[in-house]
Amino acid sequence: DAGVIQSPRHEVTEMGQEVTLRCKPISGHDYLFWYRQTMMRGLELLIYFNNNVPIDDSGMPEDRFSAKMPNASFSTLKIQPSEPRDSAVYFCASSKPGQVTGANVLTFGAGSRLTVL
Amino acid sequence: KQEVTQIPAALSVPEGENLVLNCSFTDSAIYNLQWFRQDPGKGLTSLLLIQSSQREQTSGRLNASLDKSSGRSTLYIAASQPGDSATYLCAEGFQKLVFGTGTRLLVSP
Repeated sequence: DAGVIQSPRHEVTEMGQEVTLRCKPISGHDYLFWYRQTMMRGLELLIYFNNNVPIDDSGMPEDRFSAKMPNASFSTLKIQPSEPRDSAVYFCASSKPGQVTGANVLTFGAGSRLTVL
Repeated sequence: KQEVTQIPAALSVPEGENLVLNCSFTDSAIYNLQWFRQDPGKGLTSLLLIQSSQREQTSGRLNASLDKSSGRSTLYIAASQPGDSATYLCAEGFQKLVFGTGTRLLVSP
């Protein structure tokens, strides 16, 4: 398996533009997570899905952020309109509960580095 | 609300040294405690997971321990190597993980 695939790896855009980040989870994983990482706040969970259904979006900072998972192999995180404070690395991760532990062992993608000017 | 803290923020050691990374959490009613490694420009790699009913987990030169009563977990790295240089993060939770801010480790030859 190629792992969790994110695109684009780098995105530079101007304030006010729409940004769409994409994620392809590992086949067979039924959980998908979107995290944001900044120097100031570290890693923060934005939203997660189970079987394509959003379970908890309490980490989504504002209405400018939205996420969808139309099928088991694809998810998007959209920011519209983007602002400079949205600059961060956005990670997608997927998992399936461990058979023994029931705990999610996450596999992370390489991240999408977003810079909003 | 669970808060996870890692001290120190950075650590530099010579190759071959044994070292301990610390992770503290505020709520002792934890589910699982995980340790991750992050290399520059890359995502996180899961290293070890300790269930709340366990005291420690081992993988190769890595040993992670959990003390819920004191709200602490430690990651022990034996015989450190330059290839161990990375940022190490701990995280607590079940589906929703709360991450610490990480310890950046540099192992010099």
